[in-house]
Amino acid sequence: ILNVEQSPQSLHVQEGDSTNFTCSFPSSNFYALHWYRWETAKSPEALFVMTLNGDEKKKGRISATLNTKEGYSYLYIKGSQPEDSATYLCAFTTNSGNTPLVFGKGTRLSVIA
Amino acid sequence: GAGVSQSPRYKVAKRGQDVALRCDPISGHVSLFWYQQALGQGPEFLTYFQNEAQLDKSGLPSDRFFAERPEGSVSTLKIQRTQQEDSAVYLCASSLALILRAGELFFGEGSRLTVL
Repeated sequence: ILNVEQSPQSLHVQEGDSTNFTCSFPSSNFYALHWYRWETAKSPEALFVMTLNGDEKKKGRISATLNTKEGYSYLYIKGSQPEDSATYLCAFTTNSGNTPLVFGKGTRLSVIA
Repeated sequence: GAGVSQSPRYKVAKRGQDVALRCDPISGHVSLFWYQQALGQGPEFLTYFQNEAQLDKSGLPSDRFFAERPEGSVSTLKIQRTQQEDSAVYLCASSLALILRAGELFFGEGSRLTVL
């Protein structure tokens, strides 16, 4: 069974704080790791897709790193703003067969002004 | 619109009722996915279509769940004789990619089903 673990489950930070969360996944047969942001009452929106060990991606104040050998990815948000409040989902796929994205439970971030 | 459209956004059903949830994917996207997100859980895969062919339905939780995409565009997820444990957000996503593991998924806003 493919399992993706995300921590923490939820997080409250003050506006301006920087924060980070973790996604752990099986390291064998890895193909790609996706991060999505899901704001309340909206659709999940892709942030990053990473495939190579050591990949680092950045979009504005948000960045992500990938370690495929040990099976984890970090998502960083610098200088959190209230509009960053959302659930951040990670999902991975393997190169074993034709498998769909397997999602974690997400980290719910609340940024307090 | 340009995105994935789902309807209804909210549905309340009495236990035992049948429901149908509709997904209109992005035009030209050959792959279409249904996911179920129960409270406190991540999205769980239900089924996958490539054009009109349902290539994987391994995630459908019971034979009360049925999905179709007859013309390779709009898809409908039908749940017969709904039970309380069916209460969840049902997400539809589409992708240009033919291979499941490749490519970005574009999600709709989901249909929130509450079974009383």
